[in-house]
Amino acid sequence: NAGVTQTPKFQVLKTGQSMTLQCAQDMNHEYMSWYRQDPGMGLRLIHYSVGAGITDQGEVPNGYNVSRSTTEDFPLRLLSAAPSQTSVYFCASSYSWEGGYGYTFGSGTRLTVV
Amino acid sequence: GDSVTQMEGPVTLSEEAFLTINCTYTATGYPSLFWYVQYPGEGLQLLLKATKADDKGSNKGFEATYRKETTSFHLEKGSVQVSDSAVYFCALYNQGGKLIFGQGTELSVKP
Repeated sequence: NAGVTQTPKFQVLKTGQSMTLQCAQDMNHEYMSWYRQDPGMGLRLIHYSVGAGITDQGEVPNGYNVSRSTTEDFPLRLLSAAPSQTSVYFCASSYSWEGGYGYTFGSGTRLTVV
Repeated sequence: GDSVTQMEGPVTLSEEAFLTINCTYTATGYPSLFWYVQYPGEGLQLLLKATKADDKGSNKGFEATYRKETTSFHLEKGSVQVSDSAVYFCALYNQGGKLIFGQGTELSVKP
């Protein structure tokens, strides 16, 4: 049981480049979300999805797109990378969006934009 | 809006010392509360949780009690080990599909 798998683990981009961070879960979880982690700021929610075909914005959505065509996958797209997007990105999933269950996190993608 | 505030780190303790990491929250209704732990180079792992007032979550010697009257969920451990060195995040889940995190508290335990 792999849980939540994120790829790549590390990435360096040039300003203006685009890329997709992959996230896949094999637990048949309804709920998936993307966070970014920055020093002294904890984790901030970027986008989330309560099921296939349904996505919504979190706290810091600008510069990022998501889609949820299957239950298993929830990719995060950076449209035009900026140095301010240098961060560690975590994908998380949960059995239900109705809280109380806790989240399973991936191991993270460390992104540097130069 | 809902928010979580944790005590600032880093916290440095000697092995076998008592640990308290303070966490307070602001939320409407009755949120679920969580502590997550992040070991160096890894993702977050759920440490413990409480879903209603006066519940006590516990795991690996860590405990936290959901105190609605003081809107708090402080993390405690009676005797820390070097292997407990990590970053600890308090979080709340309320209606709307969002888990809201505090800023994290780094714990360093010295032998």
